[in-house]
Amino acid sequence: SAVISQKPSRDICQRGTSLTIQCQVDSQVTMMFWYRQQPGQSLTLIATANQGSEATYESGFVIDKFPISRPNLTFSTLTVSNMSPEDSSIYLCSVAEGIHEQYFGPGTRLTVT
Amino acid sequence: GEDVEQSLFLSVREGDSSVINCTYTDSSSTYLYWYKQEPGAGLQLLTYIFSNMDMKQDQRLTVLLNKKDKHLSLRIADTQTGDSAIYFCAESVNNAGNMLTFGGGTRLMVKP
Repeated sequence: SAVISQKPSRDICQRGTSLTIQCQVDSQVTMMFWYRQQPGQSLTLIATANQGSEATYESGFVIDKFPISRPNLTFSTLTVSNMSPEDSSIYLCSVAEGIHEQYFGPGTRLTVT
Repeated sequence: GEDVEQSLFLSVREGDSSVINCTYTDSSSTYLYWYKQEPGAGLQLLTYIFSNMDMKQDQRLTVLLNKKDKHLSLRIADTQTGDSAIYFCAESVNNAGNMLTFGGGTRLMVKP
């Protein structure tokens, strides 16, 4: 299975600032996704990171707030822009290797003060 | 719309069986999954079942699917303290199995 790493693992940020989260995979993958897990809640898909084109965002998420880059098949970034305390969550990167095989990174725990 | 629901908490004694339940609303679900999340870790895919199957067994894990009632369960035989974690069920409505809707998670506590 793919090995996924994320940086940073956690951060505490001030309101109004932005944070970029990196996701690195040890093999080339076609599909990469970004999820959010708010405190005590389940995971919500933010967007699909498409290599070489703009990300595809789910309802309720917009590019201005969560810009995503996918420069190649092993790397993606998610930026949380103009943060507010409501953005405090765990942000998880995931990759899909073939059908049914979706793997998740360890997550980035973000706290906005 | 898609909605996946789970009970919040389950407590069992070591050696007993655990049964974690999940209900979903989208009848077009193609695949259903169980993930495990240990404290401070990412999600680990445990198993999945295709929607035209009733049951799938994988070592200590048994997945039962009642498609008519849109009910999915995960049975863990001989539960160990290392099984303590949050278990998420998830459904996929596309054939690629990679657009997932997650339930809220069930926290399993295993007492020695």
